[in-house]
Amino acid sequence: GEDVEQSLFLSVREGDSSVINCTYTDSSSTYLYWYKQEPGAGLQLLTYIFSNMDMKQDQRLTVLLNKKDKHLSLRIADTQTGDSAIYFCAEIAAGNKLTFGGGTRVLVKP
Amino acid sequence: ETGVTQTPRHLVMGMTNKKSLKCEQHLGHNAMYWYKQSAKKPLELMFVYNFKEQTENNSVPSRFSPECPNSSHLFLHLHTLQPEDSALYLCASSRDGTSGSTDTQYFGPGTRLTVL
Repeated sequence: GEDVEQSLFLSVREGDSSVINCTYTDSSSTYLYWYKQEPGAGLQLLTYIFSNMDMKQDQRLTVLLNKKDKHLSLRIADTQTGDSAIYFCAEIAAGNKLTFGGGTRVLVKP
Repeated sequence: ETGVTQTPRHLVMGMTNKKSLKCEQHLGHNAMYWYKQSAKKPLELMFVYNFKEQTENNSVPSRFSPECPNSSHLFLHLHTLQPEDSALYLCASSRDGTSGSTDTQYFGPGTRLTVL
């Protein structure tokens, strides 16, 4: 079955770049997503990338996809304290079923 | 605001109570979903509705009963729950939920459920 893995925790200083990594197993994934969850809130869609792309940039966010290695990363430039949250990687294949990773808790220190 | 609202935001109930969670989407989508987010597990898909018809039941116990009266509203009726059902219940919607579709799902803020 599908599996999505993420590291549990990332600590970063304000102003530095953050890189959150994700690996997945389903080679038929068509879209890969990054969602952000702040305390007590639902999931906010941050960005997504189509599986035939290598990179997507959206303001401070850069998504890199290595389809051969089934590796996805999210880089946040100039990380701010408001970026402290849990970040979920997710992939979707046919059947419209999202499979989520366990989430990476990002702590931004001033 | 994502265009998906959920009420109540917090709910505490006893094991013998009956309660309902409500979700409403204002995005004109046709598919709606219930997910469960527990403390120690990845998000789990529970149910999928597409054009008001249930298309997915991910082996969810019958003490959870979904209802989708129209494409904009989704309910989750709860009865005789167990303490291990305590979790954040998230609703999502997408434009299309048919098999083969990969439309982006937008999430509500969730209902934090505590079963005593």
